[in-house]
Amino acid sequence: DTAVSQTPKYLVTQMGNDKSIKCEQNLGHDTMYWYKQDSKKFLKIMFSYNNKELIINETVPNRFSPKSPDKAHLNLHINSLELGDSAVYFCASSQAGGGTGELFFGEGSRLTVL
Amino acid sequence: KNEVEQSPQNLTAQEGEFITINCSYSVGISALHWLQQHPGGGIVSLFMLSSGKKKHGRLIATINIQEKHSSLHITASHPRDSAVYICAPSARGQSGGGADGLTFGKGTHLIIQP
Repeated sequence: DTAVSQTPKYLVTQMGNDKSIKCEQNLGHDTMYWYKQDSKKFLKIMFSYNNKELIINETVPNRFSPKSPDKAHLNLHINSLELGDSAVYFCASSQAGGGTGELFFGEGSRLTVL
Repeated sequence: KNEVEQSPQNLTAQEGEFITINCSYSVGISALHWLQQHPGGGIVSLFMLSSGKKKHGRLIATINIQEKHSSLHITASHPRDSAVYICAPSARGQSGGGADGLTFGKGTHLIIQP
């Protein structure tokens, strides 16, 4: 069984559209994350979320919003997509937050905005 | 802000060689992660450490908290070790980065030739 799974793996869409990427973890972890990896392969945190707290990286536009229906899921919604949103988005989870727990990553979702 | 420097940026070696990748950071940390990303794109956590040394198979990670430095070593390197290796220290109190305290290095692109 895949520990952290993301869907879709590939997403091609037009500028201005709204899209979602889903993430599920079956590890029983308390904290989930979304990361963005740009064309230069640099990873940056977008959100950290557990049952109690959503922490948003201040550089993330408010067109991006995480939605967590339960502890095992953290979906990423993106409104009014822009060309610069093209990237690979990774979901991850850990038992402990604040970067002190081992991270388990999904396989990534490659978003291409045309 | 936590400044993270990895070296070398690129490394090509012959199969069997001993490999060392270095990571320096600028603020006090609670933990440091070493991640591996293969050309296919998935990210795997290799180590999370806060002191001393950890070993897993042919991989060894060390950290010197006082010197703010960590190294990842690969013994008897093999072509399947070819990947990007990313260092990510987690600053104490999230003072160094984003929503999870992690700041990612730019990665070391390792190629092991047969």
